[in-house]
Amino acid sequence: DTGVSQDPRHKITKRGQNVTFRCDPISEHNRLYWYRQTLGQGPEFLTYFQNEAQLEKSRLLSDRFSAERPKGSFSTLEIQRTEQGDSAMYLCASSRDGTGVPQEAFFGQGTRLTVV
Amino acid sequence: AQSVTQLDSQVPVFEEAPVELRCNYSSSVSVYLFWYVQYPNQGLQLLLKYLSGSTLVKGINGFEAEFNKSQTSFHLRKPSVHISDTAEYFCAVTINDYKLSFGAGTTVTVRA
Repeated sequence: DTGVSQDPRHKITKRGQNVTFRCDPISEHNRLYWYRQTLGQGPEFLTYFQNEAQLEKSRLLSDRFSAERPKGSFSTLEIQRTEQGDSAMYLCASSRDGTGVPQEAFFGQGTRLTVV
Repeated sequence: AQSVTQLDSQVPVFEEAPVELRCNYSSSVSVYLFWYVQYPNQGLQLLLKYLSGSTLVKGINGFEAEFNKSQTSFHLRKPSVHISDTAEYFCAVTINDYKLSFGAGTTVTVRA
């Protein structure tokens, strides 16, 4: 297994455009997470999936953000009507089901979004 | 809500010298603690974790950390660093099994 992969690695978009990022988790992992990291800060939790079910969303995830994980495999994160404040690194991670105890989360290299 | 404070944003250190990265957390309930490392152009990688049991935790690449509940700390140490340890290090905490809260990170620069 090659680990968690994210596509694209870099995205430059104009303000007001929609963007979509893709994450392919490690195949046997049933949990998938999205985090956002801005310059000089640690990653911030956005949302996570258990198989295809989205179980929690952070208040950071405004109505312009939507995430899906059809069939419990890959996931997409869409940002509509992008704003300059959306510029950040978007990280995806996956893990096995913790059943109460956190399992190691494996992170992808991230998608760096720049909104101009 | 739980939170993490990494007390040093940058730590310069000479090769073969020891290093300590400080991490304090805030939580009203029991926590799980982690240290992750991020090398340039790579994803975050788990160094070590504290879930329960022994408060001294050993991880990969010669790193270790000690959980101190009374001081709410989880400091990371390595007795002798290499140039290849140059990276950004993140401390993280969680009270459940899915949502990590990360500190702002500590950049370690190892000089020959």
